[in-house]
Amino acid sequence: EAGVTQFPSHSVIEKGQTVTLRCDPISGHDNLYWYRRVMGKEIKFLLHFVKESKQDESGMPNNRFLAERTGGTYSTLKVQPAELEDSGVYFCASSQVWAPNTIYFGEGSWLTVV
Amino acid sequence: RKEVEQDPGPFNVPEGATVAFNCTYSNSASQSFFWYRQDCRKEPKLLMSVYSSGNEDGRFTAQLNRASQYISLLIRDSKLSDSATYLCVVMNRDDKIIFGKGTRLHILP
Repeated sequence: EAGVTQFPSHSVIEKGQTVTLRCDPISGHDNLYWYRRVMGKEIKFLLHFVKESKQDESGMPNNRFLAERTGGTYSTLKVQPAELEDSGVYFCASSQVWAPNTIYFGEGSWLTVV
Repeated sequence: RKEVEQDPGPFNVPEGATVAFNCTYSNSASQSFFWYRQDCRKEPKLLMSVYSSGNEDGRFTAQLNRASQYISLLIRDSKLSDSATYLCVVMNRDDKIIFGKGTRLHILP
């Protein structure tokens, strides 16, 4: 069974550009989470989808970040325009609604803004 | 005060030794607790869940003290392959996961 997959694995962009990160959760997992870790900080929650609905987006840092999950399958996280402080690793995770404790993480998308 | 606090380390421990990590959490309503392991530039992977009754998985023992809002992880007979960052993770009632900053462990040959 395929795990949580994320694309791209690494991205280097210039300040002001746009980047879109994609996450494909495990098939059948309605819960989808985005987290990020910036340099020297702990992994922090960004938002949580249940199917296509945003259950909780309290962790989104500002309106430069937009997450979508149209159709309740894969999700995208767009950063526009990117700033230097957005550099870090963005993790996606998924779980089944009836087993929220069993969470699977993707390998992360490493973003560097220069 | 951070929601989940851990000693960042690093802990430099000789192979074969026993090492213990502690973690405290601030939200008394938290309902689930975990230890994750993260290798350098890799994703977090679940090591074990933590229960009030304590649970053991091979060389690893985890313990939860709800009254003190304290979680521990004990690693016995440490191996070189145990070198990693260990993340204390708490899940709140709304299924939101809060990570500690992690404790770095280096096992020395």
